[in-house]
Amino acid sequence: DGGITQSPKYLFRKEGQNVTLSCEQNLNHDAMYWYRQDPGQGLRLIYYSQIVNDFQKGDIAEGYSVSREKKESFPLTVTSAQKNPTAFYLCASKDFGGTRQYFGPGTRLTVT
Amino acid sequence: EDQVTQSPEALRLQEGESSSLNCSYTVSGLRGLFWYRQDPGKGPEFLFTLYSAGEEKEKERLKATLTKKESFLHITAPKPEDSATYLCAVPPDLNSGGYQKVTFGTGTKLQVIP
Repeated sequence: DGGITQSPKYLFRKEGQNVTLSCEQNLNHDAMYWYRQDPGQGLRLIYYSQIVNDFQKGDIAEGYSVSREKKESFPLTVTSAQKNPTAFYLCASKDFGGTRQYFGPGTRLTVT
Repeated sequence: EDQVTQSPEALRLQEGESSSLNCSYTVSGLRGLFWYRQDPGKGPEFLFTLYSAGEEKEKERLKATLTKKESFLHITAPKPEDSATYLCAVPPDLNSGGYQKVTFGTGTKLQVIP
């Protein structure tokens, strides 16, 4: 089955530690996205990538980093510089010529 | 800049009590609208794409409609399993080049009481 996988589903970290969230897709989509979702705030774009080895900052990129070394993979690192990292993180992908996004199941990160 | 506003923020219905959710948008040229369903702790699940004013789509108890300024998601005789957050979104302008951003509303949280 084609789709997007995110791992792990739940992630716990101590403040000051970097953590990497995984996102893999087998839909052969060109574009991939990372969103953060907080209660009452909807989806906010962190980073996006339209092709391999290229990515752009979204609306709230500070404290985050990404890489896109393979078409299938778009990992997100939440660094210690992110002031409020506890949130639900969603990965999505889209065919470059299309409009609809496909979402993964999400990773809930808790930093204490 | 594209803007999407959903109302109400939350809606509580008795089982069988029909209602509608609203999504109003301001975009540079209508290029369709998406509806998603999101269950707690899960990623959004695609429901519908509407491309032009006057278009309607149905799926079980859900019916989505589109005008030039807003979209409605009508829920007929809802059941408890319809409880979820419903998101609408406007797709990117593919002719704009560069950053292809999907603009999401903040969602309507629907609770259907047995």
